[in-house]
Parts: sequence; structure tokens; C-alpha cells
Amino acid sequence: KAGVTQTPRYLIKTRGQQVTLSCSPISGHRSVSWYQQTPGQGLQFLFEYFSETQRNKGNFPGRFSGRQFSNSRSEMNVSTLELGDSALYLCASSSFAGGGNEQFFGPGTRLTVL
Amino acid sequence: KQEVTQIPAALSVPEGENLVLNCSFTDSAIYNLQWFRQDPGKGLTSLLLIQSSQREQTSGRLNASLDKSSGRSTLYIAASQPGDSATYLCAGMSGGSNYKLTFGKGTLLTVNP
Repeated sequence: KAGVTQTPRYLIKTRGQQVTLSCSPISGHRSVSWYQQTPGQGLQFLFEYFSETQRNKGNFPGRFSGRQFSNSRSEMNVSTLELGDSALYLCASSSFAGGGNEQFFGPGTRLTVL
Repeated sequence: KQEVTQIPAALSVPEGENLVLNCSFTDSAIYNLQWFRQDPGKGLTSLLLIQSSQREQTSGRLNASLDKSSGRSTLYIAASQPGDSATYLCAGMSGGSNYKLTFGKGTLLTVNP
């Protein structure tokens, strides 16, 4: 079974631009969560989608948004990029929504904002 | 609000040594606790998942325990190898209906040949 895939793996953008990252969960998984990892803050939860609905949201500004498609693939969008948005963005999938589920992570997208 | 702390932040051991990584959490109402491994610049690899009703889980040379009452989990690595060198992260799933994984900052493990 293929794992979680994320595209692109690397991105370089400039301040003020916007970016869209994509995540394809493990086949059959319907829940997708997004996390931001930075050296200073570590891993922080962005949001979770299940059946095309956002179920939970972390403490991030409205510039960070996401969506999920009927095939469970998810995208996250960051508008008006700031230098502080430079990070590794990780998505995780689990078989269904609910607190007891094991999360499987993708390789991440490394975003650099210049 | 859940907070997860990992001690030590870094650990260097000679090959073959048994070692213990520690993780503590403030909210005992967790659904589960998961241990991950992260290699430099890579994503997270799930190592062990302990449900809130369980006390421990084992996989090969790895054993993780969970004590909800004291807010602690440990990851025991037996007979360490250089290939075990990585950052180890623990994460607790909690938050009621607004559940999410809260991560510690990790322990950077170096196993010297």
C-alpha cells in the first residue's frame, strides 16, 4: 500500500505570494491533518479534514486555509506569504476521524519564503 | 491545554547500549500517545501507538510505556545501533471533540559506532 504523498517536495516563494500544497492520503484513509514544523516552534497542528469537512483547526491566521476533495486528497493554501511561513509542512492521514487513530505522515513539503 | 515535554533534548550513546527516552504530558485525558522517528529533512515515521487503555506496546527492539496517572511515557530502545540515530518525537492525541496531536520538541539521538 502506498504511503502518504505530498507535492511538491520543495518550494521557494517570495513574500506576498501565495502557495498551494497537496497531500494524497493512504488509500482508504478519509482523514487528513496538516502540521507546520519549524526549528523554533516544533510541530504545530494546522487543521484536519474528514469527508470534505474541516473538523478541527489550530491557532493559525486566516491566511492558512485548506480543503479536501471527494477522493480524500487535500490541499492547503497560504496567502500573502511571510518570511515566518518558511517551514516543513507535513500532512498525516488516518483511516477515519476520531481521537484514537494512528496518524501516518508524508515526507513533507519544504517551503522557503524569501 | 496539552503540553508535551521530552527529556533529554539530545543524547549520545555508544553502539549496543540500551537507552530510555522520556516524554511527559500535562493533560491525562489523552486518546493515545504515539512515538515517531524523524530523520534529517524527512517526514515522520510512526514507531509505536499506545491507546489510552493500554500500558505498553512493543515492536522489535522498541518498547513504549504509558502511565496516564503520572502523565509519562517512555521509549526503551534495546541494543542501540548507528542506524537508530534520528530525532524521536512523542505526541499525545487529546482535546475532546477538538482532538489533535500535540508534539514534544523531540530527543536527538546519536548512536556512535
